[in-house]
Amino acid sequence: EAQVTQNPRYLITVTGKKLTVTCSQNMNHEYMSWYRQDPGLGLRQIYYSMNVEVTDKGDVPEGYKVSRKEKRNFPLILESPSPNQTSLYFCATWGDRVTEAFFGQGTRLTVV
Amino acid sequence: AQKVTQAQTEISVVEKEDVTLDCVYETRDTTYYLFWYKQPPSGELVFLIRRNSFDEQNEISGRYSWNFQKSTSSFNFTITASQVVDSAVYFCALSPWSSASKIIFGSGTRLSIRP
Repeated sequence: EAQVTQNPRYLITVTGKKLTVTCSQNMNHEYMSWYRQDPGLGLRQIYYSMNVEVTDKGDVPEGYKVSRKEKRNFPLILESPSPNQTSLYFCATWGDRVTEAFFGQGTRLTVV
Repeated sequence: AQKVTQAQTEISVVEKEDVTLDCVYETRDTTYYLFWYKQPPSGELVFLIRRNSFDEQNEISGRYSWNFQKSTSSFNFTITASQVVDSAVYFCALSPWSSASKIIFGSGTRLSIRP
């Protein structure tokens, strides 16, 4: 069964405390991406990766880091979270074209 | 510019009414994909439909139907005889062929179906 697994689903943290949200896919897809969802703004792309060791910025990359050391994993790292990073985060994956994208279940992050 | 506009922020209708969610897109590509996703209160994204730019046939799936018109760059979604379970946020999205690295989402329409 095609799966995108994000962890944790919910996270409350304090300003400045480094955190990592993990994402793993079992479809051997080339592309993986992180999005954040905010009211009235829809989903905006943070970072994407088109293969191992290849990552690039999306539309709102400030304050985030990613890595792609293995094809299946694409963690999102917040080195020093701030309250404006409170959001709902989605990991997504697809093949060489976005004919079908698969999304994780989302991570609801609150930074206080 | 490549973008998706969902001008309706919120819609509220009474159960059994028909409702149409509008989606207008912009892209310079001649080949592209359009999508609709549903986000129920539980938060996950549920894929509803994909359309490629060469297929302008309307699609019907049960109470759901989609009207794709390239002439007006629109991809509207109609729910017939709405039900309370249709209450959700709905996103229209675009994937241009030249940009395999991203899906461009609209801002979403929150649909509330009142009993």
